[in-house]
Amino acid sequence: DQQVKQNSPSLSVQEGRISILNCDYTNSMFDYFLWYKKYPAEGPTFLISISSIKDKNEDGRFTVFLNKSAKHLSLHIVPSQPGDSAVYFCAASASRGSTLGRLYFGRGTQLTVWP
Amino acid sequence: DTEVTQTPKHLVMGMTNKKSLKCEQHMGHRAMYWYKQKAKKPPELMFVYSYEKLSINESVPSRFSPECPNSSLLNLHLHALQPEDSALYLCASSRSSGQSSYNEQFFGPGTRLTVL
Repeated sequence: DQQVKQNSPSLSVQEGRISILNCDYTNSMFDYFLWYKKYPAEGPTFLISISSIKDKNEDGRFTVFLNKSAKHLSLHIVPSQPGDSAVYFCAASASRGSTLGRLYFGRGTQLTVWP
Repeated sequence: DTEVTQTPKHLVMGMTNKKSLKCEQHMGHRAMYWYKQKAKKPPELMFVYSYEKLSINESVPSRFSPECPNSSLLNLHLHALQPEDSALYLCASSRSSGQSSYNEQFFGPGTRLTVL
């Protein structure tokens, strides 16, 4: 049962434009959300996170938005650059309950930024 | 030092071999993780060590045996693997495995394992 879903397996964006990657979750116990970026044959790299007490977190070109009522988060990258081309994984965790200590990953979205 | 290192980078082994994967971090993190990742899939959790004690075992077959000799090191001992165990094995660490705001996990580059 996929508790974190990324429904778009791929996204193609022109350089300089905005990339928006979406993620939905089903478990209301999740209270911390993370985005990872992964290049082929490398481990995932932590990008940005957000706690459920916030609805927005920004770090340079990357902004994550959280809509708790919709159980939805999104990652905005602006402006997009060719070096951003990678697979982006959304992940979620809970600070209480039997799922303590686990990260639940979505299936990933392949972002391609073309010149 | 903000890195998680893993050795070897690549490993090819036969089904009767015994080998070990190694992971090291010097960030003072007290939680360490093993994941398995197949192509085009998300990382799949195998084991979690918290303060050098095994806290989560995701029903992993006994041919995979984790070991945490100290707070900086994590090993994964492999024995009698099957070809379907071929995957990228990722190690990760975080400040703790408890409070979720400390659960930003930092991943190593992985070991690409091929079982013949």
